[in-house]
Amino acid sequence: QKEVEQNSGPLSVPEGAIASLNCTYSDRGSQSFFWYRQYSGKSPELIMSIYSNGDKEDGRFTAQLNKASQYVSLLIRDSQPSDSATYLCAVNLGGGADGLTFGKGTHLIIQP
Amino acid sequence: GAVVSQHPSRVICKSGTSVKIECRSLDFQATTMFWYRQFPKKSLMLMATSNEGSKATYEQGVEKDKFLINHASLTLSTLTVTSAHPEDSSFYICSARGQGALAEKLFFGSGTQLSVL
Repeated sequence: QKEVEQNSGPLSVPEGAIASLNCTYSDRGSQSFFWYRQYSGKSPELIMSIYSNGDKEDGRFTAQLNKASQYVSLLIRDSQPSDSATYLCAVNLGGGADGLTFGKGTHLIIQP
Repeated sequence: GAVVSQHPSRVICKSGTSVKIECRSLDFQATTMFWYRQFPKKSLMLMATSNEGSKATYEQGVEKDKFLINHASLTLSTLTVTSAHPEDSSFYICSARGQGALAEKLFFGSGTQLSVL
C-alpha cells in the first residue's frame, strides 16, 4: 500500500529564514511528486512538481528529490508570514490518470 | 488554463437528505476527475476516480451506493451524497488533470464543506 509520511508539526520558522519541509514515501516505483499548499478551509494549491532526482527551483521555492532514499523535500527561502499554511506532499505512481496519495501535511508557522 | 470550479462551497443539511456537489473544468476537457474527502486536521483521502462515460472507480471502504458519481460530459462530474448522516460531514474536494504540458498535474476545485445536522 502506498504511504506518504510527513511530520505534522507545527514547524515554526522566523520570518526571513529558510523553512525546510520533508516527506518520505513507501512506493519505490513512484514517478511524480508534488507539493501543495493548503490554507485552512481552502482547497490545495499546487506549489511545485518534481519528477527527477536533484533540485528544482521556482522563485523562493526549491523542491529536492532523492529516489534512492525515497525522500522529497521543499525549501522556502526568505519565509514570509503569508507562507504560513499546511504543506501537503503528494505522490503519483507512474503517469496516467491515477489519483494522488497525500501525506497528512506539515503545518508551517512563520513568525513575524 | 486548468481552472476547476466546484459548487456549492458550503452545504448544511438535515440527516437523511441527499446532497449533490458539482465539479466543472472551465477551460479544458477532463476525461478523468477525482473526488477527495478531508476531515479536520487530516489528509486528503481519495474516494473515487470519475471517468467520463463510464462507471466510477471507488477506493476501498467507500460505499458506491452512498456516494454516487456521474461524469456525463468532459467538463462535468457530480458527487451525490445520498441519505447523508452526521458522520458524512467533511470537506469534499474534486480535482482534474490538466491537458498537454499540465497533464501530470492535478488541479483542485475550491471544495465543499458539508455539515449534516
